[in-house]
Amino acid sequence: GAVVSQHPSWVICKSGTSVKIECRSLDFQATTMFWYRQFPKQSLMLMATSNEGSKATYEQGVEKDKFLINHASLTLSTLTVTSAHPEDSSFYICSAHTTVSSYEQYFGPGTRLTVT
Amino acid sequence: AQSVTQLDSHVSVSEGTPVLLRCNYSSSYSPSLFWYVQHPNKGLQLLLKYTSAATLVKGINGFEAEFKKSETSFHLTKPSAHMSDAAEYFCVVSVGSARQLTFGSGTQLTVLP
Repeated sequence: GAVVSQHPSWVICKSGTSVKIECRSLDFQATTMFWYRQFPKQSLMLMATSNEGSKATYEQGVEKDKFLINHASLTLSTLTVTSAHPEDSSFYICSAHTTVSSYEQYFGPGTRLTVT
Repeated sequence: AQSVTQLDSHVSVSEGTPVLLRCNYSSSYSPSLFWYVQHPNKGLQLLLKYTSAATLVKGINGFEAEFKKSETSFHLTKPSAHMSDAAEYFCVVSVGSARQLTFGSGTQLTVLP
């Protein structure tokens, strides 16, 4: 149980275009989802916290107009990288928090974004 | 505020020898502590968690960790390393519910044949 999926797993896009990444909780309802960014050989940095039906809360330094987060249902959150630039190339990982177990987040497998 | 420090960025061991990955935390309140493992280009897998129950926590794949409040430590150990253990390991702290996690910088474990 408690499986989180991400789609796509790998995406290449051209500079200036937008790309959407989906995060789904497959077998549980996630009231809260989190989006992280990970640069090569570095740790995970929290980008934003997303609650179903409300606006996401962004961490300091994260551009909310560039990284659009939508949490439309209890099983789906999306991250859209708008007007992507090569410096946005990174590994994006989502996680979901379930009300059943308040101590744990379940992580998706990640999405590798490469902007050319 | 909470923080976590992983004392070693790289650890190298021979297959069959013990593994020790060190983690110290800082928290104003009683923390929950986790160890996650990440294989290359993969997501994170939970190895074990401490949530104020037993201080010695056993996880998957033979790993365990001991919560030591007096030393503010949560070191990860395994008696005998396997080649498949080679990966990046993250120590993570959370206060209260798991609504926000703070990650350590990671320790890259190399297992030599």
